Amino acid sequence: ETAVFQTPNYHVTQVGNEVSFNCKQTLGHDTMYWYKQDSKKLLKIMFSYNNKQLIVNETVPRRFSPQSSDKAHLNLRIKSVEPEDSAVYLCASSKAGTSYAEQFFGPGTRLTVL
Amino acid sequence: GDSVTQTEGQVALSEEDFLTIHCNYSASGYPALFWYVQYPGEGPQFLFRASRDKEKGSSRGFEATYDKGTTSFHLRKASVQESDSAVYYCALGERQGGRALIFGTGTTVSVSP
Repeated sequence: ETAVFQTPNYHVTQVGNEVSFNCKQTLGHDTMYWYKQDSKKLLKIMFSYNNKQLIVNETVPRRFSPQSSDKAHLNLRIKSVEPEDSAVYLCASSKAGTSYAEQFFGPGTRLTVL
Repeated sequence: GDSVTQTEGQVALSEEDFLTIHCNYSASGYPALFWYVQYPGEGPQFLFRASRDKEKGSSRGFEATYDKGTTSFHLRKASVQESDSAVYYCALGERQGGRALIFGTGTTVSVSP
């Protein structure tokens, strides 16, 4: 049963364009995350939000920015994409703002930058 | 910083074979340890967790025991099926601070009938 929804599934764009990905969770969780999964399947945290407050902001380029309207939504904007941004972007949520909690992942958005 | 090492990048097995994926961690504190599984086209799914020394986590026939002495959390399954073909991730979660999970590099398991 899907409880973390991501749109779009795929996106192809050109260098320099702006893109935005959406994520919604229906689990009532307090914390949401964005991960980047590269072509070698490596998973790296990008951002996490707890009650609309940024609690982890790894050293990602400034062109990436998370956007949250409420605790059920966490979008990701990339201001000017670069070729190295090609990856799968995974949204996740968890019940508590601690990494002891189980995280639930969405299916991901695959970005291809030409 | 904290890290997780998975020794095997790819594992090829036949049905009913025994599976072992080695996971070792390095952490300054006393972390929780996880296994996640990712099927093609899907996000990772929580398999199980252990949060203290000698605790065994298990789910769907998979199991792993937290070993603080050897800093390990190896995944095992006695008899794999073709449906177990997936990418398996070992992950580490810190006890405090609200930080996200630190994942290992993943192990691709392919099971042939």
